[in-house]
Amino acid sequence: EPEVTQTPSHQVTQMGQEVILRCVPISNHLYFYWYRQILGQKVEFLVSFYNNEISEKSEIFDDQFSVERPDGSNFTLKIRSTKLEDSAMYFCASSEDRVIGNTIYFGEGSWLTVV
Amino acid sequence: DQQVKQNSPSLSVQEGRISILNCDYTNSMFDYFLWYKKYPAEGPTFLISISSIKDKNEDGRFTVFLNKSAKHLSLHIVPSQPGDSAVYFCAASEAAGNKLTFGGGTRVLVKP
Repeated sequence: EPEVTQTPSHQVTQMGQEVILRCVPISNHLYFYWYRQILGQKVEFLVSFYNNEISEKSEIFDDQFSVERPDGSNFTLKIRSTKLEDSAMYFCASSEDRVIGNTIYFGEGSWLTVV
Repeated sequence: DQQVKQNSPSLSVQEGRISILNCDYTNSMFDYFLWYKKYPAEGPTFLISISSIKDKNEDGRFTVFLNKSAKHLSLHIVPSQPGDSAVYFCAASEAAGNKLTFGGGTRVLVKP
């Protein structure tokens, strides 16, 4: 079964450092997403991406965050200057279409620890 | 943000019995509802979904019921199996797009 893959599975970084989380969405999918889950809290939407541009973003997704699809397969989330409160599990997701009813599939997550 | 709420943080059920998980929402624009299952340190795995034009959807041991007037949905798992032990998230999206709003999750423990 096709799946969304994410790297790294776990990263520890110093506060203020830049971090790039990588994702390979399912190959025929057109819509890509990043969500995150802070320990003990809900899974929260960060951003959606289609046709090489952001289609929607949450208020969490401020200027410190950016996304990119550098080639035909990867989708990245960059945090420019990490803060302690950025420590969370970050999930990449993708869906085939944006028609209502189309399922969003999630990757295994990248656990980011900011120290 | 309490647009999607799962009021029971945990549920314990005997193997073979029915598990019933509940979810309430407040946003009347939500048009599509999903249930995801999540194991520790893994991503959410899609289980079953329902659109607002239906009141029931069934897939094997999983059935989702939607009561739009009450803004309530439930997931029934029958019979429950030990492998079903996980955290279950309810999620909803508006007709305009696929951004998912998640509930807080219900941890299910199925005892052998």
